[in-house]
Amino acid sequence: GQNIDQPTEMTATEGAIVQINCTYQTSGFNGLFWYQQHAGEAPTFLSYNVLDGLEEKGRFSSFLSRSKGYSYLLLKELQMKDSASYLCAGMDSNYQLIWGAGTKLIIKP
Amino acid sequence: GAVVSQHPSRVICKSGTSVKIECRSLDFQATTMFWYRQFPKQSLMLMATSNEGSKATYEQGVEKDKFLINHASLTLSTLTVTSAHPEDSSFYICSAREAGVDTGELFFGEGSRLTVL
Repeated sequence: GQNIDQPTEMTATEGAIVQINCTYQTSGFNGLFWYQQHAGEAPTFLSYNVLDGLEEKGRFSSFLSRSKGYSYLLLKELQMKDSASYLCAGMDSNYQLIWGAGTKLIIKP
Repeated sequence: GAVVSQHPSRVICKSGTSVKIECRSLDFQATTMFWYRQFPKQSLMLMATSNEGSKATYEQGVEKDKFLINHASLTLSTLTVTSAHPEDSSFYICSAREAGVDTGELFFGEGSRLTVL
């Protein structure tokens, strides 16, 4: 079956670094997405990885290892506004997104 | 970047009435649009895939006669919740994929919060 696993909740301190892990199992693979979702709002696109390695985009970076079925989202210089849920989603061979339940990130001053 | 506009953002209706939600791609053509539903503290659930000019493909367990989807043009898809009941109260979100682009990136609307009294 298809499955996405990520931690339910994480807590970090303002200004610090946090890594949110995601493991995936999909029928075929067409990429791994990370989305950010603030409460009551629609998700916004953060990153897309289809090749192994690290993609850096400002304070956010995303890593993919296809052989391990593993990805992580790295957030640096955390700000209070980064408090949100982070959704990991794998795209299967039919281009359908398989969503994780999301990781709620709590930032403390 | 590509923009998807969803309307209305909030709607309150009486039980038994129908509600239409619109999803528009503003600056690109979307051959495929997706409709999702999200219950509180849960992840997005794909309801149906909407393809321009053809019938929508519904996920298992989603009633096609209750959630009518129309994708009449390359920039507009509509979801109509027919004979709404309180259990249909939820956050509905649409997303669109740009025609001819291979990244698979989805662009999301702002979401519509439906409350059925």
